[in-house]
Parts: sequence; structure tokens; C-alpha cells
Amino acid sequence: GAVVSQHPSWVICKSGTSVKIECRSLDFQATTMFWYRQFPKQSLMLMATSNEGSKATYEQGVEKDKFLINHASLTLSTLTVTSAHPEDSSFYICSARQANEQFFGPGTRLTVL
Amino acid sequence: GEDVEQSLFLSVREGDSSVINCTYTDSSSTYLYWYKQEPGAGLQLLTYIFSNMDMKQDQRLTVLLNKKDKHLSLRIADTQTGDSAIYFCAPQVGSSYKLIFGSGTRLLVRP
Repeated sequence: GAVVSQHPSWVICKSGTSVKIECRSLDFQATTMFWYRQFPKQSLMLMATSNEGSKATYEQGVEKDKFLINHASLTLSTLTVTSAHPEDSSFYICSARQANEQFFGPGTRLTVL
Repeated sequence: GEDVEQSLFLSVREGDSSVINCTYTDSSSTYLYWYKQEPGAGLQLLTYIFSNMDMKQDQRLTVLLNKKDKHLSLRIADTQTGDSAIYFCAPQVGSSYKLIFGSGTRLLVRP
């Protein structure tokens, strides 16, 4: 299957700083990528749909100024958590769509102190 | 909004079959997916079924879809200890590419 990578795999930051997470499709081009958030022992919550060359579409309740998404190329989408706070600590997972399938990255664990 | 329900936990003996069930509310889902997640890892696409199909078999995996009852199941034949993980049912939202995830079923395979 297709491969999706995320970087970094984990990050610890201080409250008030911004953190950027990268999502790359390694062997295919993806016009659409998705960003999810997963709390411990819970399901995945879709945060936003990232479309190459256009603005991201955010799900209800997700602050677009807090979670900045950029999809500048067909293989890269980035999620920037701005002015991070402890409640933003979570597991962030991206996926990239190829035809009717979505392939997921390994996730990024963010811990905000 | 759309909702997906799964039982939280399933325990089976190695070599037995496992059946993981899922119910959903969006009757217009075009594709319905099953993903596997191991601890601390991302999701691995296992299989999926198109909404006009009743059944799909892929090696040890069998997916059954009852569209009338909005019920999806995943059967794993000859379950192995390596199958221990969390399994997510994820119907597509209508004809969009968005997925709605169930709570996940934690499968424990006992030796």
C-alpha cells in the first residue's frame, strides 16, 4: 500500500510556543489530506480537510486560527498548532487520499508543558 | 450528525475466528472501511467494501454489509496473537471522502 510519513513522531514544547507537524505522501500524490486528533483510548476526531492549492476546510468546533493547515504541494501538508497549551496535548494523525483509499501516517504525539 | 457504534472489547482464543461488529447511521455511505491500530501507531487500512456489495473476502478477512440494518462486520479467521490491536470501523460520509470513526474495538487474542 501507499506510504504516508509524519514528522516529528513526538514533540514536547512549552506552553505558548507553536509547533509544526509535517505529513508527507512518499510514493503517491495526494490532492486531499486529512488531519485527525486522537485522545488516549478514544476514537479519531476529524479536524480538517486539507486541499492542495486551496484553503483547508475545518470541522465544526475546530479553530482555524489555532490549527493552521497548509497544503503547498501534492505530497506535503503541514499542521501548525499555534500558541500551544496543555489541553492541545494529543496524538495528531494525518491521512492522504489515493482514489478511494485513505492511508494514514504513524502519528505525532504532542505534549505541551 | 453521523454516528458509528462498536463494542469496546473482544477476547478470543488463538486459532478461533473473531467477529467485530459495527452499526452506523449514514445510509448514504459509499465506502465503508476497516482499520487496525497497534499501540502508539497510526492506522493500517485492512479492507473496505463498496456499498452495493454484501460481502467481501480478502484472505483471512471477511467483511459483511447489511445496508438495510446499517450493520457492518469484520470476521478474522484463524486469529493470531499478532492480530491483537484496536479495530476501527469507518464509513465514508455520503459521497465525500471524509471518514467517521467508531470508538474502536480492542481485540485481545489469548494464546
